[in-house]
Amino acid sequence: DIQMTQSPSSLSASVGDTITITCRASQSISSFLNWYHQRPGKAPKALIYTASTLRGGVPSRFSGSGSGTHFTLTITSLQPEDFGTYYCQQSYSAITFGGGTKVQIK
Amino acid sequence: EEQLVESGGGSIKPGGSLRLSCAGSGFMFSSVWMSWVRQIPGKGLEWVGRIKSQSDGGTTDFAASVKGRFIISRDDSVNMMYLQMNSLKTEDTAVYYCTIVSSLLTYDYSGQHEHDAFDVWGHGTMVTVSS
Repeated sequence: DIQMTQSPSSLSASVGDTITITCRASQSISSFLNWYHQRPGKAPKALIYTASTLRGGVPSRFSGSGSGTHFTLTITSLQPEDFGTYYCQQSYSAITFGGGTKVQIK
Repeated sequence: EEQLVESGGGSIKPGGSLRLSCAGSGFMFSSVWMSWVRQIPGKGLEWVGRIKSQSDGGTTDFAASVKGRFIISRDDSVNMMYLQMNSLKTEDTAVYYCTIVSSLLTYDYSGQHEHDAFDVWGHGTMVTVSS
């Protein structure tokens, strides 16, 4: 199975900050990488498909990049509703998720 | 608006069976592929299985951890998907989410490849397997 490793596992940030979350695959997954956001007690929501395509309705402050084994999710001008946990997910071979990055209020 | 509502969760002893249901509304249920994804409370996400639309064969695929124990079915006449869970183990304890799948298809010399993303999620239903 392809292993997905996210870093950092948690971070603290303030409203208005820009943050970057990294997701690394144990082997090349081309661009078959998706990102999700989960608030406490809620279901995950899709943010970005195939590394960089924003899902409809997702604010433009979210952006994704990368290919192969290294991917990033960047959030500019962090908003209160952006706090929670972010997960990456690969679909190149079977389906596996990263362990998550918890974004907390500083 | 697309909506998914899961039901059927509860507490069950190891070795028992449970059936989860997922009701869809606000979209053309029969045309979409659907998946179950689970999450151990406080932990990460794990894909459980998928069912394609009937027009794409209605076939199912499962994670190795549940293959042979879990069955996914759908009844498009009532916009429902089901997860039949048999021979339950304590490690099956989790919140179970149903999702609409958005699949990107690619093709090469070896055939068709399906690259799934989970577009819409239900609120989840909790399953606890404990003696």
